[in-house]
Amino acid sequence: AQSVSQHNHHVILSEAASLELGCNYSYGGTVNLFWYVQYPGQHLQLLLKYFSGDPLVKGIKGFEAEFIKSKFSFNLRKPSVQWSDTAEYFCAVRETGGYQKVTFGTGTKLQVIP
Amino acid sequence: ETGVTQSPTHLIKTRGQQVTLRCSSQSGHNTVSWYQQALGQGPQFIFQYYREEENGRGNFPPRFSGLQFPNYSSELNVNALELDDSALYLCASSLGRQQETQYFGPGTRLLVL
Repeated sequence: AQSVSQHNHHVILSEAASLELGCNYSYGGTVNLFWYVQYPGQHLQLLLKYFSGDPLVKGIKGFEAEFIKSKFSFNLRKPSVQWSDTAEYFCAVRETGGYQKVTFGTGTKLQVIP
Repeated sequence: ETGVTQSPTHLIKTRGQQVTLRCSSQSGHNTVSWYQQALGQGPQFIFQYYREEENGRGNFPPRFSGLQFPNYSSELNVNALELDDSALYLCASSLGRQQETQYFGPGTRLLVL
């Protein structure tokens, strides 16, 4: 069965610090990969996605993620966080075969201190 | 805002009852997915509807059922409610079966007593 692991449940950073959130998945087939963000009081929204091609993907608000197939990982990065990045971040994986089930990780709460 | 609306926003039910949750997809979107998000967890995929037919289902029992209407709005029905069904239920709409980008609604928070 497919699973998604986000190892950091709660991360606290100071403004301007660099961010890396880990995401690993277990699935042997071809996958699409996503990072979603949920700001306080708002809907889940897509930060970035990887379907194929360049494994380094750039998203909104200066975020990027790198797909490393050999490590089954899709880590999210940002060189310099801002207070407005305080939110919960979810990694998600979609199988491309069958009925394309989407599996989310448990989420990482990021708190950025001014 | 995404254009995806859900009703009601909050709901309290007792064990054994039945509940219907509703979702209006973003204009032009023909695919709706439903997720259950328990407290402290990520969303879990319940099922997906594409042009009024279920075309994907997660590990949820048959008492979780759904419908999609010709206008692509959708309902999630849960029968014989259990305490563990207490959660935030999210609806996401997208264009096409490939779910290129899913747009999420605000969710319905269900409490089962």
